[in-house]
Amino acid sequence: DVKVTQSSRYLVKRTGEKVFLECVQDMDHENMFWYRQDPGLGLRLIYFSYDVKMKEKGDIPEGYSVSREKKERFSLILESASTNQTSMYLCASSRLAGGTEQFFGPGTRLTVL
Amino acid sequence: GIQVEQSPPDLILQEGANSTLRCNFSDSVNNLQWFHQNPWGQLINLFYIPSGTKQNGRLSATTVATERYSLLYISSSQTTDSGVYFCAVVYTGNQFYFGTGTSLTVIP
Repeated sequence: DVKVTQSSRYLVKRTGEKVFLECVQDMDHENMFWYRQDPGLGLRLIYFSYDVKMKEKGDIPEGYSVSREKKERFSLILESASTNQTSMYLCASSRLAGGTEQFFGPGTRLTVL
Repeated sequence: GIQVEQSPPDLILQEGANSTLRCNFSDSVNNLQWFHQNPWGQLINLFYIPSGTKQNGRLSATTVATERYSLLYISSSQTTDSGVYFCAVVYTGNQFYFGTGTSLTVIP
């Protein structure tokens, strides 16, 4: 079975802190994705990566950056956390071929005070 | 971009009842998935179904790509079926576009 893990289930940070969210997948998938989920807004894509060191902006990249140094690991970085970044963050992975099945991690609930 | 609409937005069922959830999309798609988000936030894959019909136990799904819709059927619902159901489509590249979900509550 595909397994996608995220470093924390719950995280509380203060405004202005630098925050790292880590995601690891064990199925050698080329694509990895970061989404945020907010009530009434559904899932929105922040960034995705289709290969090591490659990244593409999604719909809401402002205030975020990403890093993919190894194929199995995709990190989301909040350079200076703000209260409007309080949200549920979901990581996913899939094979490279367009539109293949996507698998999600358990999510990280981030609260920025 | 593509529009993905799900209906109904909310659904309350008595345990044992059947239901049909619908996903409409505004353009041709390369892929479609149905997910169940449990109360802890985990998105669980139900079906990978760009076209045709699939069944898995009490759940089945049908996608009619030419008419731009997909249906998810839940039979003999159980309280553990409660949660939010999402459909997601790919119409270009690798990006998935999600609907806003159907929130299902199954009452004992």
